[in-house]
Amino acid sequence: GESVGLHLPTLSVQEGDNSIINCAYSNSASDYFIWYKQESGKGPQFIIDIRSNMDKRQGQRVTVLLNKTVKHLSLQIAATQPGDSAVYFCAESISSGSARQLTFGSGTQLTVLP
Amino acid sequence: ETGVTQSPTHLIKTRGQQVTLRCSSQSGHNTVSWYQQALGQGPQFIFQYYREEENGRGNFPPRFSGLQFPNYSSELNVNALELDDSALYLCASSFTGGDTEAFFGQGTRLTVV
Repeated sequence: GESVGLHLPTLSVQEGDNSIINCAYSNSASDYFIWYKQESGKGPQFIIDIRSNMDKRQGQRVTVLLNKTVKHLSLQIAATQPGDSAVYFCAESISSGSARQLTFGSGTQLTVLP
Repeated sequence: ETGVTQSPTHLIKTRGQQVTLRCSSQSGHNTVSWYQQALGQGPQFIFQYYREEENGRGNFPPRFSGLQFPNYSSELNVNALELDDSALYLCASSFTGGDTEAFFGQGTRLTVV
């Protein structure tokens, strides 16, 4: 079956450094991708999204890159802060009729070191 | 904080029992999706409700069922609970017909003993 997967389950970075979290997807029908941040005991929080007709999108301190050729997605966090410590999920959105369901990967635990 | 609220936040049930979880969607949203998140894993899509009807379903058995009400709030019902049903159940609201961004509630932690 098709799935969204992540390359690394854990990532540790020094405070102030840039973080890069990677994700591979395999469903070529996916046309919308989202990064979520999930802190302990909370629901996923939307960070940034990108549509399949784009290859880069920037937000505040975050950038998402999409490489459709190799079906790869990455999240870059600039000047990583302690508050960025969380689990990060990429999700692909597949339209099924009028429905859009999200398929999540298993997540990457980001730890920011002082 | 999103405008999506779920209740209860935690509950414990015995194997074989039935449970109902509730979700109030964000103002302006007309679609509710439910996800199951096992410990250490990503959320798994259960089903989605739009216009008070099921509008898409993941790989979950029929003992997982739901409802959507005219005010767009929703319930998730699980019958004949099994130990493996222990998980965080997440509700996400969105607007079908407009943007596709989904906002999640804080989840309900269900423990089946």
